[in-house]
Amino acid sequence: SSDLTQPPSVSVSPGQTASITCSGDKLGDKYVCWYQQKPGQSPVLVISQDTKRPSGIPERFSGSNSGNTATLTISGTQAMDEADYFCQAWDSNTVVFGGGTKLTVL
Amino acid sequence: QVQLVESGGGVVQPGRSLTLSCAASGFNFRRYGMHWVRQAPGKGLEWVAVISDDGSDKYYTHSVKGRFTISRDNSKATLYLQMNSLRAEDTAVYYCAKADSRKAVTSYFDYWGQGALVTVSS
Repeated sequence: SSDLTQPPSVSVSPGQTASITCSGDKLGDKYVCWYQQKPGQSPVLVISQDTKRPSGIPERFSGSNSGNTATLTISGTQAMDEADYFCQAWDSNTVVFGGGTKLTVL
Repeated sequence: QVQLVESGGGVVQPGRSLTLSCAASGFNFRRYGMHWVRQAPGKGLEWVAVISDDGSDKYYTHSVKGRFTISRDNSKATLYLQMNSLRAEDTAVYYCAKADSRKAVTSYFDYWGQGALVTVSS
């Protein structure tokens, strides 16, 4: 199976740029999606197919994917962005999620 | 607007069965694949199963193969997850999620339900 590795936590100051990585073998050959989950809520798609931002997701969210690492970048991070973030990809007809990263906006 | 409403969760003893339902509205249900994803208390997301738009393709995570069955009734716009031989480690919030396409494989989840809690305990 393909494991996806995320840092357990990332901290950022308001207004700064947060980067959350997701690593996996040859991940750049696959599409990666990112989901945001706030406490007590269902996940929300924030990036699909490596770089696409769904309707309603702020422009400060962007994604990239190359080599073995996909990255979710939040520019001008706001307090409302504090949440858990999960990356997701497909591997051999099964879905794999990263373990999740708790983003703290200090 | 897209709505996904799960039901059927509850407390069940180990070894017993439970069936979850997910009522869909706000989109043409029969044109999209559908997924089940679960989240154990305080843990991350774990994909469970996917079914294609017409029900012809189904895939499962290894730990539930042979115990869980995903199905759908397009006439009722409803997704199901039949769970047999339940174990303590199946305790989780179960989310249904809409796929972005007809297919099962390579789709992603563009809408999620609010989740249904399943607790497996004696």
